[in-house]
Amino acid sequence: TQLLEQSPQFLSIQEGENLTVYCNSSSVFSSLQWYRQEPGEGPVLLVTVVTGGEVKKLKRLTFQFGDARKDSSLHITAAQPGDTGLYLCAGEVISSYKLIFGSGTRLLVRP
Amino acid sequence: DSGVTQTPKHLITATGQRVTLRCSPRSGDLSVYWYQQSLDQGLQFLIQYYNGEERAKGNILERFSAQQFPDLHSELNLSSLELGDSALYFCASSAALGTANTGELFFGEGSRLTVL
Repeated sequence: TQLLEQSPQFLSIQEGENLTVYCNSSSVFSSLQWYRQEPGEGPVLLVTVVTGGEVKKLKRLTFQFGDARKDSSLHITAAQPGDTGLYLCAGEVISSYKLIFGSGTRLLVRP
Repeated sequence: DSGVTQTPKHLITATGQRVTLRCSPRSGDLSVYWYQQSLDQGLQFLIQYYNGEERAKGNILERFSAQQFPDLHSELNLSSLELGDSALYFCASSAALGTANTGELFFGEGSRLTVL
């Protein structure tokens, strides 16, 4: 059974601070996606990383896929209240059609 | 608006009952996924269909079943409901073709099921 563990589960920070969210597994994935979910809505894709060691930047968000394609991180620089939400990583299981999600990191950025 | 439509948005029912959740994928998307999200939790993969055929199964209970119809809409049937089945049920669709590449999932707003 493939599992994706995210840490931390909850994060409450002040506006302007930096943070990193981790997504770890003992399984290898063909790709790793990051989604953000706001209350009352479905998750929305932020980025997909495919190659081991890949780094992608989306404005103040930096995503990295581990060399072994088992883990990933999301780093937010100078967090803003608009970054508040539930961040979910999702791994595409090799040779299947499954996309499994991590347990999520709930981020609160205080003004 | 993701283009994925789920109905009903809210549903309250009693233990032992049966409900059907409906999903219309984005126009042109052949793949439909169903996920369950309990309070403040991640999404648990239930099942995936591609062009009417079941493609992958997750931790879906035997009391639950799903299908995708020729017009590509999908239904998730939940029977003999228990209190623990209370959750948000999300449907997502993907433009990915019949390969193992999932691609971006577009989620509906979910159906919130409350079992009393």
